[in-house]
Amino acid sequence: DVKVTQSSRYLVKRTGEKVFLECVQDMDHENMFWYRQDPGLGLRLIYFSYDVKMKEKGDIPEGYSVSREKKERFSLILESASTNQTSMYLCASRATGDNYEQYFGPGTRLTVT
Amino acid sequence: GNSVTQMEGPVTLSEEAFLTINCTYTATGYPSLFWYVQYPGEGLQLLLKATKADDKGSNKGFEATYRKETTSFHLEKGSVQVSDSAVYFCALYDAGRRALTFGSGTRLQVQP
Repeated sequence: DVKVTQSSRYLVKRTGEKVFLECVQDMDHENMFWYRQDPGLGLRLIYFSYDVKMKEKGDIPEGYSVSREKKERFSLILESASTNQTSMYLCASRATGDNYEQYFGPGTRLTVT
Repeated sequence: GNSVTQMEGPVTLSEEAFLTINCTYTATGYPSLFWYVQYPGEGLQLLLKATKADDKGSNKGFEATYRKETTSFHLEKGSVQVSDSAVYFCALYDAGRRALTFGSGTRLQVQP
């Protein structure tokens, strides 16, 4: 059974803290993604990576960075958390090609107080 | 750029009613199209897909047909169940970014 796992389901952090969200996939996929999901806005792409040590900005990269040191792991970093980063964060992975399924993790609900 | 537009929710139906959730897209060329579903407390999972014009994707009683003339990919089901209550996302594959572009999602609530 294919799997994308995320390090936490729920996380509460204080304003100004550095936050790490971890994502691991076991499908040997080249591509990995971080989205945030907010009511009425759907899923917005923060960053993605199509290879180890490669990263590309998505639609809303401000305030975030990422790291991909190994193929199976893709980390999202909030350098200095702010209250407007309170959201659901979804990680996904995908094989290369235009009709392959994108697999999602269960999500991390982050609250910044 | 590419974009996906879905009908606003929530959509509230009685069990066994007919469901349509509208989805239209703007894109260069003919991208692959997808419907994903998110059940409460879970991540998204693929419901169905279509990779070229006039293709029909189907799964679990849901269907959607890729209509290039109207740039649409509407989701339909003949008889919904309470267990279909979820958020449904329409998406297209953006070849330039090698990523999916999603619509805003439509919440479906089915009442017994």
